[in-house]
Amino acid sequence: IAGITQAPTSQILAAGRRMTLRCTQDMRHNAMYWYRQDLGLGLRLIHYSNTAGTTGKGEVPDGYSVSRANTDDFPLTLASAVPSQTSVYFCASSDSVAGVNEQFFGPGTRLTVL
Amino acid sequence: GQNIDQPTEMTATEGAIVQINCTYQTSGFNGLFWYQQHAGEAPTFLSYNVLDGLEEKGRFSSFLSRSKGYSYLLLKELQMKDSASYLCAVRDSNYQLIWGAGTKLIIKP
Repeated sequence: IAGITQAPTSQILAAGRRMTLRCTQDMRHNAMYWYRQDLGLGLRLIHYSNTAGTTGKGEVPDGYSVSRANTDDFPLTLASAVPSQTSVYFCASSDSVAGVNEQFFGPGTRLTVL
Repeated sequence: GQNIDQPTEMTATEGAIVQINCTYQTSGFNGLFWYQQHAGEAPTFLSYNVLDGLEEKGRFSSFLSRSKGYSYLLLKELQMKDSASYLCAVRDSNYQLIWGAGTKLIIKP
C-alpha cells in the first residue's frame, strides 16, 4: 500500500451501535488526525495524535475515541452511534505538526447512522 | 472564536483566471494552506504560505498578508479539471488546522 487507507469505504449503522473506523498509513508519519466533513461546514478535527502513544482532543471529540498504539494505525471508535454522527470521515497524516509538512488524506469513510 | 471565510461558490470560464479569497481570524498563526478537493474525493495539498507575499507553483499561485488576515489562491489558464472545491486552512497557535468551508469552483467551457 502507499499512502493512507481507510476502511470501510461506506457504512450504514443503526443508532446505538458501536463502530470502529480504521486508518492505516505507510509513510511513517508521526502525526495523524481524524476529521469529519459535513455539507456547508469546513473539515472539523475530532481527535489527533502528534506521535505514537499520545492522543489529543480536537474541536468535536464528544462521542468519539481514538488510540495510537503504533505509528501506522489510528482507529476511530464511535461508542454508541447517533444520527448526528452521519458524516464523511477523513483520516490524515503528516510528518510533523510544524513547518511546511502538509497533511495527506485518506479516501474517506461515508457513515450513515439511522 | 476562530473563523475562516471563503466564498461559497464561484464560476469561471475555461482558459480564464480566477482568484479565490480567504480571510481568517485565528488564535495564532503558523502558516496557511490551500487544498483542492474534487467531489467525492479526499483533499489534496496545493500550497503553503507562512510569510507575506506570493508563492507560485505552475498555474497556481497563493498570496498571504498576515497583517490583513488575508490570502488568495490564483488559478491561471483554467481547465475543466480545475472544477473542484478549494479549501483554505490556517494552522493556529496549537499547530492544528482550522478549515474554511471551501469554495466550489465551476468551470464553464
